[in-house]
Amino acid sequence: SYELTQPPSVSVSPGQTAMITCSGDILSKKYGYWYQKKPGQAPVLVIYKDSERPSGIPERFSGSSSGTTVTLTISGVQAEDEADYYCQSIDNNNSYYVFGTGTKVTVL
Amino acid sequence: QLQLQESGPGLVKPSETLALTCSVSGDSVSSYSYSWGWVRQSPGKGLEWIANIYYNGRTYSDPSLRSRVTISVDKSKNHFSLNLRSVTAADTAVYYCASGSSRVNDGFDFWGRGTTVTVSS
Repeated sequence: SYELTQPPSVSVSPGQTAMITCSGDILSKKYGYWYQKKPGQAPVLVIYKDSERPSGIPERFSGSSSGTTVTLTISGVQAEDEADYYCQSIDNNNSYYVFGTGTKVTVL
Repeated sequence: QLQLQESGPGLVKPSETLALTCSVSGDSVSSYSYSWGWVRQSPGKGLEWIANIYYNGRTYSDPSLRSRVTISVDKSKNHFSLNLRSVTAADTAVYYCASGSSRVNDGFDFWGRGTTVTVSS
């Protein structure tokens, strides 16, 4: 099975930039997706196909891809961005999804 | 706008079958524009994908759960369902139904609010 590895935690001051990485071999062939997850709430898709932003998602959220790593960048972090973030992709045969290990973003 | 709502028992006994339903509004479960899936989050753990079903009836599930999982669509009721057999305490989780539009492709852009399932005797 495939694995997607994220750092357990990232801390950032308000107004600064947070970067969250997600690494896995499959990401060199398949797109990465990013979800924001707050306690007691459903996940929210914030980036799809590596760098596309769904409507309604603030412009401070952006995504990029390089080799086997995708990166979520939150520019000008706000207190409301404190949450867990998960990357996600699909296997080579387009048959099963896999989520990353998750990163807790703390706004200091 | 697509809306999803999970329903099912909040408590299931060990070794029994967990059955959840996701009611869809805003479009048809028969639409080729969407995939339909289930994701769960156990207490203190991360998101875990369970299974997907597509407009052509194809189903896929996580290898670790495949032997216990059935996902299906009921077009007459416009909902899709998850059956998880032989549950144990490790299946205690918040279960989310989700959908991926053709624009997003291999991810989920619509989510239900989630339903908490506890496995206990």
